[in-house]
Amino acid sequence: EAGVAQSPRYKIIEKRQSVAFWCNPISGHATLYWYQQILGQGPKLLIQFQNNGVVDDSQLPKDRFSAERLKGVDSTLKIQPAKLEDSAVYLCASSLDRGLWNEQFFGPGTRLTVL
Amino acid sequence: GESVGLHLPTLSVQEGDNSIINCAYSNSASDYFIWYKQESGKGPQFIIDIRSNMDKRQGQRVTVLLNKTVKHLSLQIAATQPGDSAVYFCAEEYGQNFVFGPGTRLSVLP
Repeated sequence: EAGVAQSPRYKIIEKRQSVAFWCNPISGHATLYWYQQILGQGPKLLIQFQNNGVVDDSQLPKDRFSAERLKGVDSTLKIQPAKLEDSAVYLCASSLDRGLWNEQFFGPGTRLTVL
Repeated sequence: GESVGLHLPTLSVQEGDNSIINCAYSNSASDYFIWYKQESGKGPQFIIDIRSNMDKRQGQRVTVLLNKTVKHLSLQIAATQPGDSAVYFCAEEYGQNFVFGPGTRLSVLP
């Protein structure tokens, strides 16, 4: 079974530029998550989708971050404009369904460096 | 021994020894906890979970202990192997999602 795919794996941009990350979850997984992992810290949830709807985006900095999952499969996370403190690994995860008991499977992440 | 590095606490153990990784959690109402392993360049991977109605759960070479009185979790790895080298995170239930701890780096010495 293929895992969660993310691209690109690495991205370097200058502050105030825009960047987008793509995630393809495991086939059949209804729930998709985006996390931000700053170096030396645990992942922090940014947004959770159930199919094509947003379940939780309470920790998403909405002035600069946006995410969509238009067809309920792939998802894109965008930052516009980027700040230095956005340097982090952005992890995508998926689970079969909502609920704590559904195991989350993580992709390899996209490492973003903002200069 | 255990030491605090620049970013992460680090635990160094000899290959074949047992490892104990500790985690303090904050919410006394949390009902569910997970330990994750994160290898370099990869996303976190589920290792073992435990619910608050249990104080111990065993898996293959791993055991999780939960002490609700002092809000403490530990992960024990038996006969630590080089492949166990990674960063380990505990995650506690928070609403409908999880909050991850800061992580501990496990370094296995030959």
